Amino acid sequence: QSALNQPASVSGSPGQSITISCTGTSSDIGGYNYVSWYQQHPGKAPKLMIYDVTNRPSGVSHRFSGSKSGNTASLTISGLQAEDEADYYCSSYRNSSPLDVVFGGGTKLTVL
Amino acid sequence: EVQLVESGGGLVQPGGSLRLSCAASGFTVGSDFMHWVRQAPGKGLEWLSVIYSGGRTYYADSVRGRFTISRDTSKNTLYLQISSLRTEDTAVYYCARDPELRYGLDVWGQGTTVTVSS
Repeated sequence: QSALNQPASVSGSPGQSITISCTGTSSDIGGYNYVSWYQQHPGKAPKLMIYDVTNRPSGVSHRFSGSKSGNTASLTISGLQAEDEADYYCSSYRNSSPLDVVFGGGTKLTVL
Repeated sequence: EVQLVESGGGLVQPGGSLRLSCAASGFTVGSDFMHWVRQAPGKGLEWLSVIYSGGRTYYADSVRGRFTISRDTSKNTLYLQISSLRTEDTAVYYCARDPELRYGLDVWGQGTTVTVSS
């Protein structure tokens, strides 16, 4: 069982918006702004899409945005495109002894 | 171009050992924070270890005492020594860069596959 809880799957039609949630605890998501989101296509390495809850790395589309409320972080993808179909993982630093980085179980996004 | 290239994976028997390598280009491994992450077949991502720019190291509970992260700045290469291997260690192993220790891994290698089987 993963440390952070994500829905197993979400889907949307081209042009629509979807949101993927990621629920943790006050020891990770709720306590720190070190939340990241990764996109992974089959057989490929993960790609950083969001870091520090809301920041996009250079080159990542503005259609991707992140937010956080309490112990839950969210990734929103607007204007869905076929190439957005992939697995998405959230991640957070966790205050643990001595240190821990935790991932969600991943969410499969299907573009209908 | 900033790039990471892993090598060293393979088939190993339970109880065996391997040393995984991660060659960096376009930046210096000794100046950044470097992580290892793995992904078992059909499963999600699992964080394993980090080495700070100052040399401090940390490990996930699942691998502490069996895995050792290190680096050779003269070769600009990161390593993961994995030992006392179990079948559940079968996975693709990735190295990744964390430029500011904010746990956003911005550059990943292509991964190297470790299969533990008798």
